[in-house]
Amino acid sequence: QVQLQESGPGLVKPSQTLSLACTVSGGSFSRGDYYWTWIRQHPGKTLEWIGNIFYSGATYRNPSLKSRLTISLDASKGQFFMKLSSVTAADTAVYYCARDHRVNGTTHWGQGTLVTVSS
Amino acid sequence: DIQMTQSPSTLSASVGDRVTITCRASQTVSNWLAWFQQKPGKSPKLLIYKASGLESGVPSRFSGSGSGTDFTLTISSLQPDDSATYYCQQQSFYPWTFGQGTKVEIK
Repeated sequence: QVQLQESGPGLVKPSQTLSLACTVSGGSFSRGDYYWTWIRQHPGKTLEWIGNIFYSGATYRNPSLKSRLTISLDASKGQFFMKLSSVTAADTAVYYCARDHRVNGTTHWGQGTLVTVSS
Repeated sequence: DIQMTQSPSTLSASVGDRVTITCRASQTVSNWLAWFQQKPGKSPKLLIYKASGLESGVPSRFSGSGSGTDFTLTISSLQPDDSATYYCQQQSFYPWTFGQGTKVEIK
């Protein structure tokens, strides 16, 4: 059974970089059927799609975040990553990593990690 | 970006009721529409993919329909465990976007 687990600091200072990792276990990381996705949810709000990465390294990033966002992966470690620079309080959210199947969509989610941006 | 509009925002229904949630896209997304269920403090759970495909393990009382711009999620007989917030998401055009959510409460 595929499992995903987010990790990273829960508190980030304004103007700094938010860095998160997602560790994937129990499944093939390199199959071309899958996209590896980041999604966030501001407190009490709906979900916001951040971006995804294919096993080849190709990425799609939300244009609203693109200038600040980097998504990468390390297949050998079964991990993918996101870095969001120049954060503000508006980036405070629960961040989820997830696996998308090219047909079935977002079938597997991590448990989510709350990141608070505050001095 | 494609805007996804759900209605209603909240609904209250009794156990056994048939419940319908609608989702409208600001432009056609073909059938690239998913429905998720989210309970407080939990990750979203995929219910329906490609507008009408029932995800493995999801009870058959959940069903989805629609194509183009108009979609529905139906719960044929509401159960206490169905109390949650439901989101639609289009996966036709980047950036993928979600509806604002529909909170379902049990009377």
